[in-house]
Amino acid sequence: SQTIHQWPATLVQPVGSPLSLECTVEGTSNPNLYWYRQAAGRGLQLLFYSVGIGQISSEVPQNLSASRPQDRQFILSSKKLLLSDSGFYLCAWSVRLRETQYFGPGTRLLVL
Amino acid sequence: AQKVTQAQTEISVVEKEDVTLDCVYETRDTTYYLFWYKQPPSGELVFLIRRNSFDEQNEISGRYSWNFQKSTSSFNFTITASQVVDSAVYFCALSGGDTDKLIFGTGTRLQVFP
Repeated sequence: SQTIHQWPATLVQPVGSPLSLECTVEGTSNPNLYWYRQAAGRGLQLLFYSVGIGQISSEVPQNLSASRPQDRQFILSSKKLLLSDSGFYLCAWSVRLRETQYFGPGTRLLVL
Repeated sequence: AQKVTQAQTEISVVEKEDVTLDCVYETRDTTYYLFWYKQPPSGELVFLIRRNSFDEQNEISGRYSWNFQKSTSSFNFTITASQVVDSAVYFCALSGGDTDKLIFGTGTRLQVFP
C-alpha cells in the first residue's frame, strides 16, 4: 500500500531564516505531487504541484519554491521566511490527474 | 470560476443524532469531481469520497451517506447516529476542467458531545 511521509512534524523558525520541508511517497511510481497550505481562517490553498521529476507548477506567486529531485520526493523551500508563511503545510499525492489526492500528516510551521 | 461553499461554520450535536453537512459548488465545467475530506484534531486530511459529475447516484458507506444533486449544485454529507469520534472539521472540495487543483470549501467543524 502507498504511504506518504512529511517532516518535520513541527517547526518554529525566526523571520528571515531559510526553510526546507520534505515529503516522500512510498509504494507507487511517478505520482503527481502537491503542496497545500492551510493558514488560520483561510482554508486550504494549493501552492505547487508536480507531474514528474523537475516539473513544477506554481499556483500562487509567493515567497516559497518547490523542487522534485527524485520521483517520490517533493521539497518545499524558502530562502527567507516571512511571518505570513506560518501555517499548516500538507503534501498530497495522486495516481494521475483528477484522481483522488491523498494527504500526508502535515507540518506545522510557526514563524516568529 | 470554481467555488465551494460550506455555509455551516460549526455544528454541535449530541451523540446518536443524525447530522447533515451542506456543500454547494459552482463550476462551468461539464466534467468535474467532488470530494469530502475529514480533518481530525491531528490535522491529517482523510479522504472520504470522490464523485464525478456524471454519477448522481447517492452513496452509503456505513453511517455515512452522500446526496449529490446537480440541479441544485449540492453535494451534502450525512452522518447517521453520530459518535464522538466523528468530531472533526469536514471539507468539501471540487476539481474540474483542465486543472488538477482542488478547490476547498472553508470547512464545517462538527462537535459531537457524549
